[in-house]
Amino acid sequence: AQSVTQLGSHVSVSEGALVLLRCNYSSSVPPYLFWYVQYPNQGLQLLLKYTTGATLVKGINGFEAEFKKSETSFHLTKPSAHMSDAAEYFCAVSVGRSGGSNYKLTFGKGTLLTVNP
Amino acid sequence: NAGVTQTPKFRVLKTGQSMTLLCAQDMNHEYMYWYRQDPGMGLRLIHYSVGEGTTAKGEVPDGYNVSRLKKQNFLLGLESAAPSQTSVYFCASKWGGQGKGEQYFGPGTRLTVT
Repeated sequence: AQSVTQLGSHVSVSEGALVLLRCNYSSSVPPYLFWYVQYPNQGLQLLLKYTTGATLVKGINGFEAEFKKSETSFHLTKPSAHMSDAAEYFCAVSVGRSGGSNYKLTFGKGTLLTVNP
Repeated sequence: NAGVTQTPKFRVLKTGQSMTLLCAQDMNHEYMYWYRQDPGMGLRLIHYSVGEGTTAKGEVPDGYNVSRLKKQNFLLGLESAAPSQTSVYFCASKWGGQGKGEQYFGPGTRLTVT
């Protein structure tokens, strides 16, 4: 069964500082990986996803993530934090094979990002 | 294009009462999902549907029922609400069954059971 671990339930950075949100996954087959963002009192919005090909994936709002198979990681980064980045971020994994698990995402527990002025 | 909409946005129930949450999507998606979100727990899948007339259990299905009579609608029912069902409920939809497809989320329904 697949699972996702997000290290750090709360990350606090200063405006302009590097953002690093950590995600490790476990999967018995090559996974599809996603990062979603949730702004206060809203639904989830896709930031970026890794399916196949290039392991460095660029998303919206200047975020990017790198798939590292050897480390089973998919950490999210942004070079310079902005106040508007304050939100909760969720890493998710989907195993792309036929059968029941093909239809479902497994989410991590989320990381709340606070950006200080 | 409204995307995924949820009705109602907020609801307060007393223990034992019943209610139905409605999810609608206008993107002609085959797959639809109901999640609950609790603090520190992430999103957990309650039930899902891979097409009109089909439903299946997810990770935490107990106490909930669902129906998908029309392709664009996915209903989540609570027959006898319990305080443990206090949560924020999200509906999502996806075009196809491939694992790489993006799920599109609704704005959520905040439910309190007293």
